[in-house]
Amino acid sequence: ETGVTQSPTHLIKTRGQQVTLRCSSQSGHNTVSWYQQALGQGPQFIFQYYREEENGRGNFPPRFSGLQFPNYSSELNVNALELDDSALYLCASSLDGAGTDTQYFGPGTRLTVL
Amino acid sequence: QQQVKQSPQSLIVQKGGIPIINCAYENTAFDYFPWYQQFPGKGPALLIAIRPDVSEKKEGRFTISFNKSAKQFSLHIMDSQPGDSATYFCAASEGYSTLTFGKGTMLLVSP
Repeated sequence: ETGVTQSPTHLIKTRGQQVTLRCSSQSGHNTVSWYQQALGQGPQFIFQYYREEENGRGNFPPRFSGLQFPNYSSELNVNALELDDSALYLCASSLDGAGTDTQYFGPGTRLTVL
Repeated sequence: QQQVKQSPQSLIVQKGGIPIINCAYENTAFDYFPWYQQFPGKGPALLIAIRPDVSEKKEGRFTISFNKSAKQFSLHIMDSQPGDSATYFCAASEGYSTLTFGKGTMLLVSP
């Protein structure tokens, strides 16, 4: 059984650029949630995908968007990057919903915006 | 609006001590309260979780105490070890909604 994997590990971009982060969910899981973790803070929910449909969204602007593919892997896209977007982006997978189902987190992608 | 307040921000204990981390929540609809452990460079990993129908849950050296009337819950780590040094996050969720995390507690267990 493979765990949650994310790529790339680290990324450096400049303000205004666009970025795509990738996540492979744990085998058998059909739900992927994305979180942003600023330095010294707890993870904040961005959005969740369940069977390829967006299934909830946190307080993030529309320039944060995502996709889930038929194999349940997922992408997080951020357009028009701002300095405050610098953070660790975490992906978590679970089975049939979030919250009460155990969420398994990947190691994260560290994004730095200069 | 911070829905889950966690304290202390950091904590230092000696090996064998019992660190206690506290969390308070506002949303009475929350019905699932997990604790996550995060090591540097890693994603959070689920340690232990509790639902409001019980007041205490133990798993190994980790215990959650839950006080529904006070809207508070806490994590106790028995016989703490240097390997327990990490950042601990409490979280809460309502039904099948997503997790709301506290800001985290950096724990250092000195040898």
